[in-house]
Amino acid sequence: AQTVTQSQPEMSVQEAETVTLSCTYDTSESDYYLFWYKQPPSRQMILVIRQEAYKQQNATENRFSVNFQKAAKSFSLKISDSQLGDAAMYFCAYRRLSGNTGKLIFGQGTTLQVKP
Amino acid sequence: EAQVTQNPRYLITVTGKKLTVTCSQNMNHEYMSWYRQDPGLGLRQIYYSMNVEVTDKGDVPEGYKVSRKEKRNFPLILESPSPNQTSLYFCASRSRDTGLHDNEQFFGPGTRLTVL
Repeated sequence: AQTVTQSQPEMSVQEAETVTLSCTYDTSESDYYLFWYKQPPSRQMILVIRQEAYKQQNATENRFSVNFQKAAKSFSLKISDSQLGDAAMYFCAYRRLSGNTGKLIFGQGTTLQVKP
Repeated sequence: EAQVTQNPRYLITVTGKKLTVTCSQNMNHEYMSWYRQDPGLGLRQIYYSMNVEVTDKGDVPEGYKVSRKEKRNFPLILESPSPNQTSLYFCASRSRDTGLHDNEQFFGPGTRLTVL
């Protein structure tokens, strides 16, 4: 069974600084997707960034980028120039490529505090 | 506006009193899912549906029922709620897979359920 682990329950960063959130996963599949979701206090689940496992290039979305290490099964999220609006809980998630359930397997979440 | 809606957003009930949380999407998506979010556990899939009249269990289905009589609706039914079902619930939908392209999963706003 696939699992996703976020070992940092809480992180903090100074405004305008850079922070990296860690995520590891376990799977025997070779093709899959990885995601980072943001959950602000409103509780809405917001997709931050997506990585296809078959792509070697790390995904980037403006100030958000990932470090995808397929052999190590590691998928960290880097937030550059942190802003107060980045404060939220962040979830790492995995989805198999095969099968049609669309099931996302989530990590435990990391709460990010941004200090002014 | 493309969206997933859930009702109610908040619910406090008592043990054993049947309840239904509704979910509706206006994007003509085939796949719909229910997740529950608990502290330290992330989100876990309860049930999913691949299309009308096609439903199956996710990872934590005990104590829940679902139905998919119409493509747009996917209600979650708790026949006899218990305190361990106190949680934050999310409905999600996405369109069918098309090749290697991952179709984004859209989440509802969440339903905070408390069972006394």
